[in-house]
Amino acid sequence: SQKIEQNSEALNIQEGKTATLTCNYTNYSPAYLQWYRQDPGRGPVFLLLIRENEKEKRKERLKVTFDTTLKQSLFHITASQPADSATYLCALVTGTASKLTFGTGTRLQVTL
Amino acid sequence: DAEITQSPRHKITETGRQVTLACHQTWNHNNMFWYRQDLGHGLRLIHYSYGVQDTNKGEVSDGYSVSRSNTEDLPLTLESAASSQTSVYFCASSDSRGASETQYFGPGTRLLVL
Repeated sequence: SQKIEQNSEALNIQEGKTATLTCNYTNYSPAYLQWYRQDPGRGPVFLLLIRENEKEKRKERLKVTFDTTLKQSLFHITASQPADSATYLCALVTGTASKLTFGTGTRLQVTL
Repeated sequence: DAEITQSPRHKITETGRQVTLACHQTWNHNNMFWYRQDLGHGLRLIHYSYGVQDTNKGEVSDGYSVSRSNTEDLPLTLESAASSQTSVYFCASSDSRGASETQYFGPGTRLLVL
């Protein structure tokens, strides 16, 4: 069966450290993968997209990698800040254009 | 600024009642989506539309319907509300003319079915 797995346990890290979140998938062949941020009581907000032929994408303190052999994407936040505390969702685009399939998300807590 | 809005933001209803959740976007996007979000399940696609008069079933469409009479709106109707439909509902839109398929989400509607 198809699965998108993100660590359901919260990730707690200290301010200034690098946070690394994982998205693993099985039985999908995604054309590309997106990462979203969701704050409590709000809708998800798009952060980054990476295509199947790209290994890495960066945006300011954010970095995403995509390994189609391992079927895994890693999402890094460098020099993390308490304001980065949120739930981060990965989403795959597969098959029919425009449709996203989401993982369950990982909650990140950055402490002082 | 373009935006996507949902109403109501909170709704309490009784089992068996018909409920309609509104979604309105000013992005002029062709694609619109409805998701529900529950603990342990993440966002699951209910229905989606690629344009006016087009609607499609998603992963969890039973008990829900949508109609698309214009570009801006995609109302979601619960035909006969059930307690299992207690959830947070998100509407989203995306531009079919772009290559990124980035979705823009509304603020959500929290629905409680008693």
